[in-house]
Amino acid sequence: DTAVSQTPKYLVTQMGNDKSIKCEQNLGHDTMYWYKQDSKKFLKIMFSYNNKELIINETVPNRFSPKSPDKAHLNLHINSLELGDSAVYFCASSQGRLAGGEFFGPGTRLTVL
Amino acid sequence: AQTVTQSQPEMSVQEAETVTLSCTYDTSESDYYLFWYKQPPSRQMILVIRQEAYKQQNATENRFSVNFQKAAKSFSLKISDSQLGDAAMYFCAYRSAWGKLIFGQGTELSVKP
Repeated sequence: DTAVSQTPKYLVTQMGNDKSIKCEQNLGHDTMYWYKQDSKKFLKIMFSYNNKELIINETVPNRFSPKSPDKAHLNLHINSLELGDSAVYFCASSQGRLAGGEFFGPGTRLTVL
Repeated sequence: AQTVTQSQPEMSVQEAETVTLSCTYDTSESDYYLFWYKQPPSRQMILVIRQEAYKQQNATENRFSVNFQKAAKSFSLKISDSQLGDAAMYFCAYRSAWGKLIFGQGTELSVKP
């Protein structure tokens, strides 16, 4: 199926650990994103890559590091996890940054204990 | 900075009836794009409808239509013949021609049988 996929869908970990979330899209899109949805369901962009180049980098702690090995993949690595990092993280993709709107992955629910 | 406001945290509609969800935004730009996303309990983000600001004609997708009032900076979503499957959180979102997607706070829609 054509889609944006993320692994894992659920992640439970201890404070201080390092974890990664992987994202892949097979839609042929050239732009990929990471969004964070907090406990009040507010969605905010974290990063955006266009053709493997970082184009949006919001005010995110530098414990969060995105990596785009190619146009179809955008991974998110988080160091030294904190309780406040608990949220749902969405990967998304779009063709260009214009009118198309993002196609979202299923989300990864991260719980930091 | 652009902002998006959804003033109705919760809405309720009877099955088969029509409901309108409100959204206002603030921008000084003339060229931008507006979207409505649906997030059902499965948490998957689904693009419902999009509108280009330069188009005067309101977008329509089956039972979903928008009322785009550019001068008033208003972008409401009308759902006709509401179905149980329409129950979800609905997010209004704004993007400038080369900017990030900015979401409103969301409106939780319940559908009564």
